[in-house]
Amino acid sequence: AQSVTQLDSHVSVSEGTPVLLRCNYSSSYSPSLFWYVQHPNKGLQLLLKYTSAATLVKGINGFEAEFKKSETSFHLTKPSAHMSDAAEYFCVVSASAGNTGKLIFGQGTTLQVKP
Amino acid sequence: NAGVTQTPKFRILKIGQSMTLQCAQDMNHNYMYWYRQDPGMGLKLIYYSVGAGITDKGEVPNGYNVSRSTTEDFPLRLELAAPSQTSVYFCASSYPQGVGAGELFFGEGSRLTVL
Repeated sequence: AQSVTQLDSHVSVSEGTPVLLRCNYSSSYSPSLFWYVQHPNKGLQLLLKYTSAATLVKGINGFEAEFKKSETSFHLTKPSAHMSDAAEYFCVVSASAGNTGKLIFGQGTTLQVKP
Repeated sequence: NAGVTQTPKFRILKIGQSMTLQCAQDMNHNYMYWYRQDPGMGLKLIYYSVGAGITDKGEVPNGYNVSRSTTEDFPLRLELAAPSQTSVYFCASSYPQGVGAGELFFGEGSRLTVL
C-alpha cells in the first residue's frame, strides 16, 4: 500500500534562512510524488511533482525537491525563506499505478516564517 | 477562468439534516474529486469521477453520495448529517490523463459544521 509520512508537523524558520520539510514515502511501485501548498483559508496549489524523470525537481517560488529511492524520501527545500512562504505543506503520493487520479496525502507540515 | 468553484463556502447543519455541496469546473477536465480535510489528518478522498456518468468510492465514502451528469458538475450529497461530518470539503479536478501526468486543481473549500 502507498503511504507518505511527513516527519515534522511544524517547522519554524527565520526569514532569509533555508527551509527543509521532510517527507518519506512507501510504495510498491515507482511512485508519482507531489508537494502541495495551502495558504490560510485557501485551496491547495501544486508546488512541484516527480514522475520518474529527473530526480531533482524544481517547482514554483524557488522550491525544489529531490527524489531519493534508496532513502524513500522526497524532501522539500528552499534556500531562503520569505514571509509569504508561511503556509501548510503536503507531501502526496499517487495511490496506485496508472492514471486513476487518486492521491494519498501526508498529514501536513505547518511552516512558520519569523521576521 | 473561474477554475473550480465550490458553494456554499460555509454551512451549519443540524444532526439528521441533508444538504448538497456544489462543485463546478470550467476547464473541461474529465477527472473530478471530493476530499475532506480534518485538522492534522491531511486530505482524505471521499469519491471521484473519471467522466460523466462514472463515479467511484474513495477512502471515506460512508455517509456521502455523488453524481456526475455533466463534465462540469460534481455535487456531493450528505444524507442524515452527523457530527463526524464536520470538516472542510474540497473539490478538485484534473486533466484526462489523471494525476500521474497532470496536477489537481482545487476549489477554495466548503466549511461544514454539524451540530
